[in-house]
Amino acid sequence: GEDVEQSLFLSVREGDSSVINCTYTDSSSTYLYWYKQEPGAGLQLLTYIFSNMDMKQDQRLTVLLNKKDKHLSLRIADTQTGDSAIYFCAESLGGTASKLTFGTGTRLQVTL
Amino acid sequence: GAVVSQHPSWVICKSGTSVKIECRSLDFQATTMFWYRQFPKQSLMLMATSNEGSKATYEQGVEKDKFLINHASLTLSTLTVTSAHPEDSSFYICSARDPRGADTQYFGPGTRLTVL
Repeated sequence: GEDVEQSLFLSVREGDSSVINCTYTDSSSTYLYWYKQEPGAGLQLLTYIFSNMDMKQDQRLTVLLNKKDKHLSLRIADTQTGDSAIYFCAESLGGTASKLTFGTGTRLQVTL
Repeated sequence: GAVVSQHPSWVICKSGTSVKIECRSLDFQATTMFWYRQFPKQSLMLMATSNEGSKATYEQGVEKDKFLINHASLTLSTLTVTSAHPEDSSFYICSARDPRGADTQYFGPGTRLTVL
């Protein structure tokens, strides 16, 4: 089966780093994604990682993938109030009609 | 990143009427689009996969006669909620798969449907 789990809530202070975790069960995943959703809006793709990679860095974002443990994390450096949102991880098996399986979402609250 | 639009952004309708939601990929051609439904404080639930020029593939438990999907061109997919009822009230989000990238799906801003 495909289950993607995330913790529900994370609160950090502005300027600190945030780490959002995700565990998945399907070892056949080809791509893993992080999306951000602000209130009442659609999903914004933040970054993705291919399954044969361990790490990917993109400005303030660092994605770590532990394929053995089926664990994915997103680190946001120097977290800002504008980073407050819900973050979803998602996995895809790839292919032309690739479906995404979303995690339960983590609400990030950034305090002053 | 690629841009996907949805129209309308919100709609209120009476019970029994039908509502059409449009999803457009603005700067790329999408042979595959997806329709999701999201309830408050919940994750996205895939409703169906829309393929250009062919019938949509519905997920288990989604009524295809109630949620009509048409993907008539490479940049447009429509979802029609037929004979809407209050329990159909939800946030509907579409996405379009960009074939140029890593199977990446780009999402529209969503449509909030309220059925009275």
